[in-house]
Amino acid sequence: QKEVEQDPGPLSVPEGAIVSLNCTYSNSAFQYFMWYRQYSRKGPELLMYTYSSGNKEDGRFTAQVDKSSKYISLFIRDSQPSDSATYLCAIGGANSKLTFGKGITLSVRP
Amino acid sequence: EAGVVQSPRYKIIEKKQPVAFWCNPISGHNTLYWYLQNLGQGPELLIRYENEEAVDDSQLPKDRFSAERLKGVDSTLKIQPAELGDSAVYLCASSLLAGGVGNEQFFGPGTRLTVL
Repeated sequence: QKEVEQDPGPLSVPEGAIVSLNCTYSNSAFQYFMWYRQYSRKGPELLMYTYSSGNKEDGRFTAQVDKSSKYISLFIRDSQPSDSATYLCAIGGANSKLTFGKGITLSVRP
Repeated sequence: EAGVVQSPRYKIIEKKQPVAFWCNPISGHNTLYWYLQNLGQGPELLIRYENEEAVDDSQLPKDRFSAERLKGVDSTLKIQPAELGDSAVYLCASSLLAGGVGNEQFFGPGTRLTVL
């Protein structure tokens, strides 16, 4: 089992839809949780960062962490064509090493 | 504030040739990372520097890869000789600190390497 598993894609939704992106992890020592967005031929861009279980909201984006289930999610409300990108979950431990999921490609249709 | 700068953005070389990538982190960021990203995969750490010290190079293939971070600022990653399987995107990232609050990693645009 890989340390971080991300739901496979690709995912295509109509504009305005609510998008749910998910990752699971196996190591309970992981302490912090990130979501990155990566446009084609660009570097990953940090979207959300959280340490604790629960929800963290930033505009149309909500990051959710459930440490008991080792499950993290990113929700995108009112999705826009500009949200079309690859989304990567990244999970880190005390040694500062980030382990990334494979990424899921999202396409938002106008 | 300027982000992480990498050069070149693209590089095409023939196998067995050497190649070098350069990274300039965000000003004031003490920790610098080099990652490898294959197509359809997430980034994988190659090496992490805290200031000028390489503190995690366990995933760096040391027979052909080398890296340096002189004076704790810019960094160079080198491959010699390159192999076909080295074709990938090489990403540089930096963070203010290595652990705790402030360890958010910010990435550069990457260098896309093609080995023919």
